[in-house]
Amino acid sequence: AQSVAQPEDQVNVAEGNPLTVKCTYSVSGNPYLFWYVQYPNRGLQFLLKYITGDNLVKGSYGFEAEFNKSQTSFHLKKPSALVSDSALYFCAVRAGGSQGNLIFGKGTKLSVKP
Amino acid sequence: ETGVTQTPRHLVMGMTNKKSLKCEQHLGHNAMYWYKQSAKKPLELMFVYSLEERVENNSVPSRFSPECPNSSHLFLHLHTLQPEDSALYLCASSQDKGSYEQYFGPGTRLTVT
Repeated sequence: AQSVAQPEDQVNVAEGNPLTVKCTYSVSGNPYLFWYVQYPNRGLQFLLKYITGDNLVKGSYGFEAEFNKSQTSFHLKKPSALVSDSALYFCAVRAGGSQGNLIFGKGTKLSVKP
Repeated sequence: ETGVTQTPRHLVMGMTNKKSLKCEQHLGHNAMYWYKQSAKKPLELMFVYSLEERVENNSVPSRFSPECPNSSHLFLHLHTLQPEDSALYLCASSQDKGSYEQYFGPGTRLTVT
């Protein structure tokens, strides 16, 4: 079965430090992987995706993610965290090929302190 | 703003009430979705519409009834809900069902008393 795991409920980072939000996946075939962010009282916003090609994917707001096929991971990273990055982050995988639905993880709350 | 609006933003209803959630997208998209978001749980896909036709119904109880009168509007009709149905209900749209990026509305926070 297709699934996504975000092992951390919350990640705490000091402003200016690098951040990593972890995601692992289980999918048959080639994975289509996504990160979304949800700010308070808002819907989810697309951050970035991996479909094929370079394992390091760059997205919005300075975020990037690294696809690691051997570890079935797609961790979200940013070199220097901002307080405004504090939000809920969701990893997702597309199930069933290019027409499949998105399967989301349970989300990781990122808290960046000044 | 993402171009997807939802009304109302907050709704409190009793278990015997009937209410409807509304979603409207101003993006010219052909696919629309309803998701349920509960705390510390993955988003649950409820329904998918493509070109106004329902293409997915993920074992959702019949007390939730979707309606898609045109490609810009999506409704979720609610009746005889249970307290465990309290959650944030998110609407999303995408250019087509196979499009990589979905655009989400801000959600309706539903409380069933």
